[in-house]
Amino acid sequence: SQQGEEDPQALSIQEGENATMNCSYKTSINNLQWYRQNSGRGLVHLILIRSNEREKHSGRLRVTLDTSKKSSSLLITASRAADTASYFCATGSGNTPLVFGKGTRLSVIA
Amino acid sequence: NAGVTQTPKFRVLKTGQSMTLLCAQDMNHEYMYWYRQDPGMGLRLIHYSVGEGTTAKGEVPDGYNVSRLKKQNFLLGLESAAPSQTSVYFCASSYLTFAGQGSIQYFGAGTRLSVL
Repeated sequence: SQQGEEDPQALSIQEGENATMNCSYKTSINNLQWYRQNSGRGLVHLILIRSNEREKHSGRLRVTLDTSKKSSSLLITASRAADTASYFCATGSGNTPLVFGKGTRLSVIA
Repeated sequence: NAGVTQTPKFRVLKTGQSMTLLCAQDMNHEYMYWYRQDPGMGLRLIHYSVGEGTTAKGEVPDGYNVSRLKKQNFLLGLESAAPSQTSVYFCASSYLTFAGQGSIQYFGAGTRLSVL
């Protein structure tokens, strides 16, 4: 069964706008990661946030984690056409492999 | 530095045929994984390995076998392919532990398999 569940399933925005994707999960975690997948390619790691962290930044990416609500959000600021991709959250806990969600498809229209 | 390399990139099989997908990594990672990705289903873990000579079942292991004879290679086998195994298969590797920074996974480009 899949731990993380992204919302929305699909998102379409104009270039320059901000994109926000959410991830909810069910059990306690050690860390939560976000990955990007361009069409026809493998996943690429974007950012990792530990369970004792609340917010993390990397360039135009901002990730928040609320362990009390078992949720995370990924914010991409000033989006570009090149940000068009699917975004997946993945949760890590204990000695079990990462569990990936079903992803959010982001389309950035120029 | 190639990272994670999957071969072949595409394959078409007839029902009942067998094949092996090869994954090779040059990052000296201990952990390796095989996933399948189907539309609307995200990534589902088939099998994984925590080191040379070890394998373990993931979420959807039925119909697949794996071997990790060398640390850098992880093979996924389909003994008797079925149309339900039509999918995109991804291999990934990670440095050491499941949790923490070392659990970041590095993915190959995928193998597109069609079973007719």
